[in-house]
Amino acid sequence: QKEVEQDPGPLSVPEGAIVSLNCTYSNSAFQYFMWYRQYSRKGPELLMYTYSSGNKEDGRFTAQVDKSSKYISLFIRDSQPSDSATYLCAMSAGYSSASKIIFGSGTRLSIRP
Amino acid sequence: GAVVSQHPSRVICKSGTSVKIECRSLDFQATTMFWYRQFPKKSLMLMATSNEGSKATYEQGVEKDKFLINHASLTLSTLTVTSAHPEDSSFYICSAKGTENNSPLHFGNGTRLTVT
Repeated sequence: QKEVEQDPGPLSVPEGAIVSLNCTYSNSAFQYFMWYRQYSRKGPELLMYTYSSGNKEDGRFTAQVDKSSKYISLFIRDSQPSDSATYLCAMSAGYSSASKIIFGSGTRLSIRP
Repeated sequence: GAVVSQHPSRVICKSGTSVKIECRSLDFQATTMFWYRQFPKKSLMLMATSNEGSKATYEQGVEKDKFLINHASLTLSTLTVTSAHPEDSSFYICSAKGTENNSPLHFGNGTRLTVT
């Protein structure tokens, strides 16, 4: 079993829809959770960074962490064609600069105009 | 926000030659940088962890003599692909974390290596 599971998609939704992206994990030691957006042929861009359980909102993006279920989500409201990209979840147990970060396989998202 | 600069963005080289890729943290210091490889439509595969002033830590299956990593300062790490072969063609991405605890990971824009 992989430490982090993420549906690769592709996920296609119409413009303006609410998008829900999810990851599950098996290591209960994970405490730091991140979502990255990666456009084709570019490096991943940090979208959201949360610690422990709860919600965090930034503009049209909301990250949720449910540690009891080992489940994290990223919601995108009022989705735009420019949101079309691959979204990677990532998590780590420690907070030091050397803590290993485990990535999901990424979900390819396409927003139809 | 934090910026990580990676250079070159694209390189084509002949089999048997060596290629150096630079990764710089532009507005923060990074004691640790990470090097990843990414195949098309696949996730990131961690190759090695680069520590400033010490030897890099390589992941299982990654040849340290082939992928030479040097982390000479708190803002620069380099990856050298030695004696490159066509199977080394890939997208290489570096990342860096700040020295403060709880610092998130920031990525460079990647280097597309093509070995002919």
